[in-house]
Amino acid sequence: EVQLVESGGGLVQPGRSLRLSCTASGFTFGDYEMTWFRQGPGKGLEWVGFIRSKTYGGTPEYAASVKGRFTISRDDSESIAYLQMNSLQTEDTAVYYCARVGKVAGVDAFDIWGQGTMVTVSS
Amino acid sequence: QSALTQPASVSGSPGQSITISCTGTSSDVGSYNLVSWYQQHPGKAPKLMIYEGSKRPSGVSNRFSGSKSANTASLTISGLQAEDEADYFCCSFTRSTTYVFGTGTKVTVL
Repeated sequence: EVQLVESGGGLVQPGRSLRLSCTASGFTFGDYEMTWFRQGPGKGLEWVGFIRSKTYGGTPEYAASVKGRFTISRDDSESIAYLQMNSLQTEDTAVYYCARVGKVAGVDAFDIWGQGTMVTVSS
Repeated sequence: QSALTQPASVSGSPGQSITISCTGTSSDVGSYNLVSWYQQHPGKAPKLMIYEGSKRPSGVSNRFSGSKSANTASLTISGLQAEDEADYFCCSFTRSTTYVFGTGTKVTVL
């Protein structure tokens, strides 16, 4: 079964850091671009960033709202994508989702999503 | 990058058709045929419904269809059913090599 599972969320104080993981199974993880999103309480979806597959350089792109504070990386040997979040602010409070970009499978969109992990930034 | 504009809410009776618009700019919706639509039920992860403007993933009902004209994309749900009641978000790739989502539309089945 093709699946993504996020982990690492929780309560963190403003200014601190947190690392989220997105563990994949059921497909060849290294072939796919992986993306992170977030959704604040009662709000819409916000794209956070993505990381290309190694075939395309393995480089990331970020939304302006998180650039310089968040870092996306990947470990293809473990089929995990990471979201390192530094200098967290209260406005970063959200459910964080990872998703696969299904371009390799012929679907140029976010075709597989995880269930999300909650991050609460509060003192 | 500003969010794409969607109506806050759309409603319809069972069996009717509704259309949700998604308006962007020439830097996003108008630049590429890479608009996708997602359905989200409360407390659940989003689900892909339409990709590349008008294509349906395997398993998605053919009651869902998508189109695009210039800077505006649209999602049409025909034969509205109770299970279609959810939030819907459009998304587009942009010239800045980023993605932008729409503001979201709450669909209510009367």
